[in-house]
Amino acid sequence: KNQVEQSPQSLIILEGKNCTLQCNYTVSPFSNLRWYKQDTGRGPVSLTIMTFSENTKSNGRYTATLDADTKQSSLHITASQLSDSASYICVVIPLPNTGNQFYFGTGTSLTVIP
Amino acid sequence: DGGITQSPKYLFRKEGQNVTLSCEQNLNHDAMYWYRQDPGQGLRLIYYSQIVNDFQKGDIAEGYSVSREKKESFPLTVTSAQKNPTAFYLCASSIWLAGLTDTQYFGPGTRLTVL
Repeated sequence: KNQVEQSPQSLIILEGKNCTLQCNYTVSPFSNLRWYKQDTGRGPVSLTIMTFSENTKSNGRYTATLDADTKQSSLHITASQLSDSASYICVVIPLPNTGNQFYFGTGTSLTVIP
Repeated sequence: DGGITQSPKYLFRKEGQNVTLSCEQNLNHDAMYWYRQDPGQGLRLIYYSQIVNDFQKGDIAEGYSVSREKKESFPLTVTSAQKNPTAFYLCASSIWLAGLTDTQYFGPGTRLTVL
């Protein structure tokens, strides 16, 4: 069964600190892996997209890594800000994809405190 | 939220009522999707559409209906047959090229509550 599991479920960090969120998946083969940020009561917004051949992708203070051998991805947030408080969702798109298959993780809820 | 809008932001439904959630996009995307989000669960696909006048059931389509009469619009009706409709509903769109999907753009969501 294709699954995407994220850890930790929730995380609280001090403003200015770094943190790393984990995503483990069993989807294989896959087309790409995406990280989304979802603010409370809002829709998810794409942070990074990585194909199976990419190891790392950055978007400002967000850096995603991918290890296709171990089927793990991580999202590293540098110098956290209060506005980083949100849920972070990992999504894996399999191959082949008929257009409706998106495997969503349950998300990591991040709270940044001053 | 990009060029995809949902309305209303909050919606209250009485028992036995049908309600319709609006989703509009101006991104010229072929594919559109409806998801349901519940606390502690990943997004679950309700319906999706890749072209006008065609749509397919997702994993949890029971109690829901959709239409795709225009490329820009993909409304979702929550019928009285949906026994537990209280949830956060997200609409998304993406470019659809045969066999490949691009980034999904999500709307701001509609929170539906059953009274």
